[in-house]
This record gives sequence, structure tokens and C-alpha cells, in this order.
Amino acid sequence: NAGVMQNPRHLVRRRGQEARLRCSPMKGHSHVYWYRQLPEEGLKFMVYLQKENIIDESGMPKERFSAEFPKEGPSILRIQQVVRGDSAAYFCASSLLGDGTEAFFGQGTRLTVV
Amino acid sequence: AQKVTQAQTEISVVEKEDVTLDCVYETRDTTYYLFWYKQPPSGELVFLIRRNSFDEQNEISGRYSWNFQKSTSSFNFTITASQVVDSAVYFCALSAWPSTGNQFYFGTGTSLTVIP
Repeated sequence: NAGVMQNPRHLVRRRGQEARLRCSPMKGHSHVYWYRQLPEEGLKFMVYLQKENIIDESGMPKERFSAEFPKEGPSILRIQQVVRGDSAAYFCASSLLGDGTEAFFGQGTRLTVV
Repeated sequence: AQKVTQAQTEISVVEKEDVTLDCVYETRDTTYYLFWYKQPPSGELVFLIRRNSFDEQNEISGRYSWNFQKSTSSFNFTITASQVVDSAVYFCALSAWPSTGNQFYFGTGTSLTVIP
């Protein structure tokens, strides 16, 4: 009865490196969402994906950030050339219905940029 | 625009006291959903409850209860006889259909500390 699995739980990157965050949704869920939680703040929506498609990326920074959800395998949030301001907790959520009535969250990946 | 306000940043109570966490929301949609999540010190987000805009019945689950009032756009959360394990950050969230579709709007959270 696996929930949403995110890895790694903690990730340390030096400025300028790339960060790859992975998310495996709950079994049967084809809707995936990424949220970012900055220190002392609530979660902010970044992107919504269905298998092989980006549905809504209105919350994604225009540069350096990208997301994918391939036909096979986990969803990936990729941050290129990380900067200190990217340090945050990144949460993935999945949904069976994709209609805003539910979101099951993973444990998050805590990214620290040094 | 959608917005969730949790005006209480931090609350401390002594064990066994009751505590209410406030949540006020804004939306122009008539169909929307409200949620509460708990984030314990370990960091994960734990789903507590979902309410839709057409159901104003209050709900009780053990020591937890929720008061949904559309007239004041509030969805408050009460913990009765608080315990140390209740110490966490609690988030209220809103999703509104169809204008925001799948996005959840989160408040900034209320950090609850229960003192033994």
C-alpha cells in the first residue's frame, strides 16, 4: 500500500549544479503535481502533469526549472544551475481523478544549495 | 482570485487544553473544496479532512472537529484535549473548480506547540 514516494529525501547541491527530484505517484494515479515550500511559508503550486503531458505550469519559474512525467517511470522535477534561493522543500502529490478533490502528498525532498 | 489566510502563525497550549486553528478563504467559485493537512516535525504532509462547498455540516473525528461556515468564509479546526503528538504545523488549503482546476492554494500554516 505504497503512498507517493519521493526521492531523495534530502539533497545537497553546490551552486551551479543540477538537482533532480523524483516522484512516483500512488498506484493507478496518473495526475502529478509539484509544490514548493520555502522556509516559514506554505506550499506554492509549481506544475501539474499527466502522463507525458504538462497540463499547467503556471507556477514554474521561467528559467532553469523543468518537469516531466514519462510514460514509464517517475515524474522528475529538474532544476538546472541551482542557486541559494532554490533551497526549499519540494513536494509531489498525486491524484486519481485530477479534479481538485484530492491530493496525496509525498514526504518531500529537502533541497539545500550550498 | 483564490486565497487562504491563516492569521495565527504560532500557538502554544498546555496539554489537555482545547485549541482552535482559524482558516479564512476567498474564492468567487461556487464549487470548491477545503482541506486541512498536518505537517509534523518529520516533514511529511498528512491529509486530515476535505470539505466541499455544498456541505456545511460540521465534522468530528475523535478529538478533531471542523467548523465550516460559508457566511464567514471560514473553515476552522479544533483539537480537543490536545496532546504532545499534536505538535505540528497545520495547513489549510483550497481548490476551486473550475477557475483554478487542480491547483491547491495553501495558507501559510499555523505552528502548534503542545506543552506537556
